[in-house]
Amino acid sequence: SAVISQKPSRDICQRGTSLTIQCQVDSQVTMMFWYRQQPGQSLTLIATANQGSEATYESGFVIDKFPISRPNLTFSTLTVSNMSPEDSSIYLCTGVGMNTEAFFGQGTRLTVV
Amino acid sequence: AQSVTQLGSHVSVSEGALVLLRCNYSSSVPPYLFWYVQYPNQGLQLLLKYTTGATLVKGINGFEAEFKKSETSFHLTKPSAHMSDAAEYFCAVSDNPSNTGKLIFGQGTTLQVKP
Repeated sequence: SAVISQKPSRDICQRGTSLTIQCQVDSQVTMMFWYRQQPGQSLTLIATANQGSEATYESGFVIDKFPISRPNLTFSTLTVSNMSPEDSSIYLCTGVGMNTEAFFGQGTRLTVV
Repeated sequence: AQSVTQLGSHVSVSEGALVLLRCNYSSSVPPYLFWYVQYPNQGLQLLLKYTTGATLVKGINGFEAEFKKSETSFHLTKPSAHMSDAAEYFCAVSDNPSNTGKLIFGQGTTLQVKP
């Protein structure tokens, strides 16, 4: 199966700053997604990353806070903007290929202080 | 709207004992159901999935799950627990076979395996 690499794997950031997380898949995927896993909680879908167009956001998530890019079939970025401690979470990138189930990256563990 | 409920946030079993992790779902359309496992400080790994066909599905590491439509359940089992099974387990549902990346997850169950 395909492999997803995320960078950075973890970071500690100051409140009010922004962090961009990169997601690289080693093969073409039809769809890419970003999830958030808050401490001790389950995964929540943030958005679908659309190639060459604006991402599709789920309820409760907005582009100004979580801008997403997907310039090609194998790469996407998620930016967490103007961070607050409440943004401390694991952010996971997900890919889906043709006729496959979703596979996940290792995640980016973000701590905002 | 779809939802997933995992009964029991923590399950503790002895090594060699039966593992049973419970998952109930709610869906207005035929669901596609998944179990994922998350080991400490790692991403999610697919254990098994149900889409159509046989209701008893077998996955990796000796796990299996049975889709019971009448009970809206998809419980995960393993006959004999191993220490390496200690992890977080997530049940998830999708209503779109062509978009299985858009998942609704349960709250997760932490499996502890005692020696």
